[in-house]
Amino acid sequence: EVQLVESGGGLVQPGGSLRLSCEGSGFTFSRSWMIWGRQAPRKGLEWVANIKEDGSEKYYVDSVKGRFTISRDNAKNSLYLQMNSLRAEDTAVYYCARDLGYLGLDTWGQGTLVTVSP
Amino acid sequence: QSALTQPASVSGSPGRSITISCTGTSSDFGGYRYVSWYQQPPGKAPKLMIYDVTNRPSGVSNRFSGSKSGNTASLTISGLQAEDEADYYCSSYTNISTPYVFGTGTKVTVL
Repeated sequence: EVQLVESGGGLVQPGGSLRLSCEGSGFTFSRSWMIWGRQAPRKGLEWVANIKEDGSEKYYVDSVKGRFTISRDNAKNSLYLQMNSLRAEDTAVYYCARDLGYLGLDTWGQGTLVTVSP
Repeated sequence: QSALTQPASVSGSPGRSITISCTGTSSDFGGYRYVSWYQQPPGKAPKLMIYDVTNRPSGVSNRFSGSKSGNTASLTISGLQAEDEADYYCSSYTNISTPYVFGTGTKVTVL
């Protein structure tokens, strides 16, 4: 079974940092582009960042550039999102997903909640 | 890029058909046919229902179908069932560096 499991969410103060993890199983992780997306409370979906199979290409939505870093460890079948200088508007459920490009995001994790509040 | 525009809500009786629209600009859809649709039940993760405008992943019911005309994509659910109640999002894939623009989301209610 193809599966993604996120972890690392929690409550953090504005300006703080958090590192999210996503472990994949049931597919060849090292051959897959991966993305992080998020969904603010009662809001829609938003793409945050994506990373190439070997980690050599990374792209970010403008609102997180310079603050968030996407990375991966293919030996551990794991994807990461290092989030620094967090703001209240970063409060959301964060999802990782397997990125098939024009074929869509075919597998999603269950999500992990990040709350940025004093 | 701005979010794609979807109706806030659509409802229908069991067994009937409904259609959800997704409207973008020529920069969202023009020249690109890579539209996908996602179903998100309350409190759950999104699930891919349609990719590349009309294609269904393995395991998705053939009651779900997609189409596109000009700058508007559509998702039709036929034979509506109670289990179809969820939020639905369209998405346009543009390029690697800014890959996904999502729609505003539509809440489907089965009456």
